[in-house]
Amino acid sequence: QKEVEQNSGPLSVPEGAIASLNCTYSDRGSQSFFWYRQYSGKSPELIMFIYSNGDKEDGRFTAQLNKASQYVSLLIRDSQPSDSATYLCAVIVRRGADGLTFGKGTHLIIQP
Amino acid sequence: KAGVTQTPRYLIKTRGQQVTLSCSPISGHRSVSWYQQTPGQGLQFLFEYFSETQRNKGNFPGRFSGRQFSNSRSEMNVSTLELGDSALYLCASSLQQNTEAFFGQGTRLTVV
Repeated sequence: QKEVEQNSGPLSVPEGAIASLNCTYSDRGSQSFFWYRQYSGKSPELIMFIYSNGDKEDGRFTAQLNKASQYVSLLIRDSQPSDSATYLCAVIVRRGADGLTFGKGTHLIIQP
Repeated sequence: KAGVTQTPRYLIKTRGQQVTLSCSPISGHRSVSWYQQTPGQGLQFLFEYFSETQRNKGNFPGRFSGRQFSNSRSEMNVSTLELGDSALYLCASSLQQNTEAFFGQGTRLTVV
């Protein structure tokens, strides 16, 4: 069973709309949750992290965590063409364990 | 504030050779982790160093090794290179273990 799952996409969203990216994880003991953005040919860039149930907002980005349902999501408001990238969900499964466990990423395309 | 610096950016090696990659973390960060990224497997955790000690290790063969120096800089070594080792190798820097990780630009290794 994959530990962190994401829909690979592509997910196509019109410019100005809300992009919703989802991620599920298998280990209930997972502690910390991260969203990275990766442009083609570049390294991952941390855009959000969340440790507690609920919502966390930073500018146009909102991370949502629901530990009971074992999912974490990322909302991007007022989507821009520059948001087109692969979004990687990462989880620290247990403290002292295997670093960040990544999903395979969702390819997001913002259509002008 | 300087980010994570990885050298070299690109490498071409022959099967059977060995290679050493270098990573300088963000100033003040004490944890350095290494990841391998390939199109098929995505991002996979190699190992994590904190205070010059390997704290965690992923599921990679013993040909992959690393170390961390007293100034937190880290090196990763791969011996007896195989074609399948061709990948983007990413170093991530964190203030402490299990906190937000920031990636360097990566080293693109090609084994021929």
